[in-house]
Amino acid sequence: DADVTQTPRNRITKTGKRIMLECSQTKGHDRMYWYRQDPGLGLRLIYYSFDVKDINKGEISDGYSVSRQAQAKFSLSLESAIPNQTALYFCATSDPTGTGKTYEQYFGPGTRLTVT
Amino acid sequence: QKEVEQDPGPLSVPEGAIVSLNCTYSNSAFQYFMWYRQYSRKGPELLMYTYSSGNKEDGRFTAQVDKSSKYISLFIRDSQPSDSATYLCAMSDTGGFKTIFGAGTRLFVKA
Repeated sequence: DADVTQTPRNRITKTGKRIMLECSQTKGHDRMYWYRQDPGLGLRLIYYSFDVKDINKGEISDGYSVSRQAQAKFSLSLESAIPNQTALYFCATSDPTGTGKTYEQYFGPGTRLTVT
Repeated sequence: QKEVEQDPGPLSVPEGAIVSLNCTYSNSAFQYFMWYRQYSRKGPELLMYTYSSGNKEDGRFTAQVDKSSKYISLFIRDSQPSDSATYLCAMSDTGGFKTIFGAGTRLFVKA
């Protein structure tokens, strides 16, 4: 089974709708991240959480909110979706206390979101 | 000015060619330099990482970091069609509190 899972994998929604993207991990990592990926712009950080009680805004947090329900779960919400939020969304985890590849981030398979 | 610049390509090469991928960055606080590989419809996966300046080799892949020029490179020798993917550079400060990613270079290796 995948260590970082995302649901749904694909979603089409209409402008103004509320939508939630979910991320679960079995790696036991404290740090979790939400990114969006757009052609030519790469990965841009939306929100990140270094532990269950810690939530921080990233580079492009406007229009998004998050919830860290447990160490293993980190959800991203679009309160009122708009077309320019059409993108590929990735969840990632990292474990800075681990040995070896300390700064490695482990990514989920992504959610392709289309807002019409 | 973006904190990291990476040419998005696409870059198309014949099988067996040597591939050079590059990024420049502006923040001197970065100490860890990484290359991620992303296949179509997949999440990025770490390919190599280097701490501070210098070279690191892993099979057909070599990563180079020149902190004085704020320039990092990834070389792929004897490129294979299976190397066709998007390659993202990334860099992080000590402690991993800030990590940024380049836009990614899309590579096609033709058989």
